[in-house]
Amino acid sequence: GESVGLHLPTLSVQEGDNSIINCAYSNSASDYFIWYKQESGKGPQFIIDIRSNMDKRQGQRVTVLLNKTVKHLSLQIAATQPGDSAVYFCADCTGNQFYFGTGTSLTVIP
Amino acid sequence: DVKVTQSSRYLVKRTGEKVFLECVQDMDHENMFWYRQDPGLGLRLIYFSYDVKMKEKGDIPEGYSVSREKKERFSLILESASTNQTSMYLCASSTASGRIGEQYFGPGTRLTVT
Repeated sequence: GESVGLHLPTLSVQEGDNSIINCAYSNSASDYFIWYKQESGKGPQFIIDIRSNMDKRQGQRVTVLLNKTVKHLSLQIAATQPGDSAVYFCADCTGNQFYFGTGTSLTVIP
Repeated sequence: DVKVTQSSRYLVKRTGEKVFLECVQDMDHENMFWYRQDPGLGLRLIYFSYDVKMKEKGDIPEGYSVSREKKERFSLILESASTNQTSMYLCASSTASGRIGEQYFGPGTRLTVT
């Protein structure tokens, strides 16, 4: 089956610093990738997506980088804020099938 | 704002009971999904539906069934609950024409089967 994982289960950053959350995927046929944010007690929330024909996509304070050579995906959060504390997980899509990673818990230290 | 609601936040049931988890979305979305979320495993798709009365098996449909009689409502049914179905259950919806990954999730139902 598909394997989508995150390198670190937890990450702590100082408020104002940049955060980088990583994800590895195994299926080279995956053509679409998504990052979700899940706050405690809430359902996941879509953050940003990227298609396999792109290397980089930027949103508001977030950037997703895709390296298809090593099958690696990262989420960068600029100027991390306390409200960014949550679990972040990636998902990759092959056809209509989504495969979700297990998540990295980001803690922002004031 | 898209709103996806789930009937219960917490539920405790006994082994062998029939369990109904209800999900309602208010944005006229065509697609609806049921996932379970377990520590260390990520989200796993149980069933999904692209239209009223239509259903497709996901990755782990065993022990579950679904019902979609109305567009806004998607129900997950555990015919005979077992302890290994203790989990967080998440419902999601999306438009047929929107971005594939932009699913809107409900807050989840934490089900405990004793």
